[in-house]
Amino acid sequence: NAGVTQTPKFQVLKTGQSMTLQCAQDMNHEYMSWYRQDPGMGLRLIHYSVGAGITDQGEVPNGYNVSRSTTEDFPLRLLSAAPSQTSVYFCASSPRSSPSTDTQYFGPGTRLTVL
Amino acid sequence: AQSVTQLDSHVSVSEGTPVLLRCNYSSSYSPSLFWYVQHPNKGLQLLLKYTSAATLVKGINGFEAEFKKSETSFHLTKPSAHMSDAAEYFCVVSYGGSQGNLIFGKGTKLSVKP
Repeated sequence: NAGVTQTPKFQVLKTGQSMTLQCAQDMNHEYMSWYRQDPGMGLRLIHYSVGAGITDQGEVPNGYNVSRSTTEDFPLRLLSAAPSQTSVYFCASSPRSSPSTDTQYFGPGTRLTVL
Repeated sequence: AQSVTQLDSHVSVSEGTPVLLRCNYSSSYSPSLFWYVQHPNKGLQLLLKYTSAATLVKGINGFEAEFKKSETSFHLTKPSAHMSDAAEYFCVVSYGGSQGNLIFGKGTKLSVKP
């Protein structure tokens, strides 16, 4: 198993550009999520999905879109990049639709800089 | 609102000495509690979790944590620090119910001196 994979590892964007961060898991997990990590802030939930075709907003969804057309993939789209979106982004998955007691499996992260 | 507080942003210990990383949570109702570790430039990895079974939980790499309901605490300990323990540690709380409700602490960076 590759686990949770994320691409790219690093990305530099200019303000106003759009891009998609890719996330895939090969564990047949129902729950997938995106977090951003900023210094001193811990991880904050952007969007999550409890299964194919179902997504919902987390704590900090503004400026981001997601879709879940398959169980395996959960891409995160930045619509018009802003410097405030400079961060490290983590994708995570867990087996069941509710993450309450499940272990979260994290990808290696994407480091994004917006100039 | 539910919350989790990691009481120290940075802890420094010498190799071979005990480690204590402190975590308190708000007590709306019985939570599930987790500790994750993040080594530099890596993703997060589960160390251990409490889900209403035994209150003393043993994890990987010699770490353990005790759930104390009366103190609303879930402190992480290790008897003897190793250089490889240098990392950032996150306490995470889940209160069940609706999806997407994991609450992360702000993290504690552990430094280990030779």
